[in-house]
Amino acid sequence: DQQVKQNSPSLSVQEGRISILNCDYTNSMFDYFLWYKKYPAEGPTFLISISSIKDKNEDGRFTVFLNKSAKHLSLHIVPSQPGDSAVYFCAARGRGFQGAQKLVFGQGTRLTINP
Amino acid sequence: ETGVTQTPRHLVMGMTNKKSLKCEQHLGHNAMYWYKQSAKKPLELMFVYSLEERVENNSVPSRFSPECPNSSHLFLHLHTLQPEDSALYLCASSQVGYGYTFGSGTRLTVV
Repeated sequence: DQQVKQNSPSLSVQEGRISILNCDYTNSMFDYFLWYKKYPAEGPTFLISISSIKDKNEDGRFTVFLNKSAKHLSLHIVPSQPGDSAVYFCAARGRGFQGAQKLVFGQGTRLTINP
Repeated sequence: ETGVTQTPRHLVMGMTNKKSLKCEQHLGHNAMYWYKQSAKKPLELMFVYSLEERVENNSVPSRFSPECPNSSHLFLHLHTLQPEDSALYLCASSQVGYGYTFGSGTRLTVV
C-alpha cells in the first residue's frame, strides 16, 4: 500500500522551459509535504516544503502547489537549468513519535534538462 | 565535520559475513533514521530512533540490527544477508519540526 506515489519515473525538459513534477498521496492525515533532490552518489537534499494549511509555496525558481481535495502536489521549476537534472523525491510527513518524524517517500522522478 | 556522515560509502559482503554500517551526525538533532533505497522503489523506512530510543521498526528482518549508543551515532549491523538486500542504505537525522538531513548513503552489494 503505497501512500505517496510519483507516477512518472522520468521527465525530460528543454533548458529554459518549465519542469513540472507530480505527486499523489492517499493519507489525508499527512500534515506537511517536502521535495528532496538527489544527485548520483549523494544523499537526498531538502529542496522545498509546504504545510497542509497552504496551497502554494515559492522559493526562487521553485514553487510547490498543494491541492488537498485532489490529494495532489506538484513541483514547478522555472526556468529549468542543466544543474536541475537529478532525481526528485516527494515526501509526506505522517504522525511521529517522541519528537521523531515519519516521512513517507514516493519512488522518485528522474528529471533530465536538455541543453 | 558537519552534517550527516555515513561510512563506508561502498560495501561488498558475502551472505555469511557480518558487517556494520555507521552513521554520525553533528547537527545536534534528536532523531535518527535508517532508510533503504532499492532501484525503482520508494525510500523505505527501516528504523527510527528518537532520543536514543527505538520508536519504530518497520517490519524489518532480524538480519538487520540497529544500534544507537548516543544521539550522534547510529549503526546498522548486518549478518547473513541475502542478495535482495543489495541497495543504498541512507541514514538521516532530524530535529523537531524540521525535515530530514540525509547522509550520502552506503551502497551495499551482497554476493
